[in-house]
Amino acid sequence: EVQLVESGGGLVKPGGSLRLSCAASGFTFSSYTINWVRQAPGKGLEWVSSISTTSAYIHYADSLKGRFTISRDNAKNSVYLQMNSLRAEDTAVYYCARHLTDFWSGPDAFDVWGQGTVVTVS
Amino acid sequence: EIVLTQSPGTLSLSSGERATLSCRASQSIGSRYLAWYQQRPGQAPRLLIYAVSNRATGIPDRFSGSGSGTDFTLTISRLEPEDFAMYFCQHYGSSPPLSFGGGTKVEMK
Repeated sequence: EVQLVESGGGLVKPGGSLRLSCAASGFTFSSYTINWVRQAPGKGLEWVSSISTTSAYIHYADSLKGRFTISRDNAKNSVYLQMNSLRAEDTAVYYCARHLTDFWSGPDAFDVWGQGTVVTVS
Repeated sequence: EIVLTQSPGTLSLSSGERATLSCRASQSIGSRYLAWYQQRPGQAPRLLIYAVSNRATGIPDRFSGSGSGTDFTLTISRLEPEDFAMYFCQHYGSSPPLSFGGGTKVEMK
């Protein structure tokens, strides 16, 4: 089964840090760009970051202002999101999501999503 | 950055009825890089439509997408009970950032 599973969420104080993980299974992980998307309580979806297959292309939402860092380890079939200087407005469910198209580093639709991990900054 | 505006905010319909959801872009995005997602309460989003009108794997043919330029539409031909949910459009142009619309809730009348 094609699957993404997030972990690492939790309660953190403002100014603190958290590292989220996204573990993939059921597909050739190294062939796909992976994204992080977040959803604040009762709100819509917000794209956060993306990382290409070899980590050569990394992009972030402008609103993050350098506080978040995405990385991946293809040997471990995992993507990570290091979040620093957390603010109340970062409170959200964080999803990792796979690009629809393999070997494509540009923007794309997302065809596989994890169940999400909850980050609460308070 | 392209802003996507979805309307209406809420659509109240009955099972078997036709649902028409709108997504308007702040500038022309051509006829290709637009997707639609369904999100049921407590679940992750699910890709329904990509490249404006292509159904994703396993999506029933009662879901269809259309449009070009700045105006795009998701149509559900006959609502099933499981279709009552939130729907989001997404633009994925030639370069980041990607943008999502604010969503339309399809609720049971």
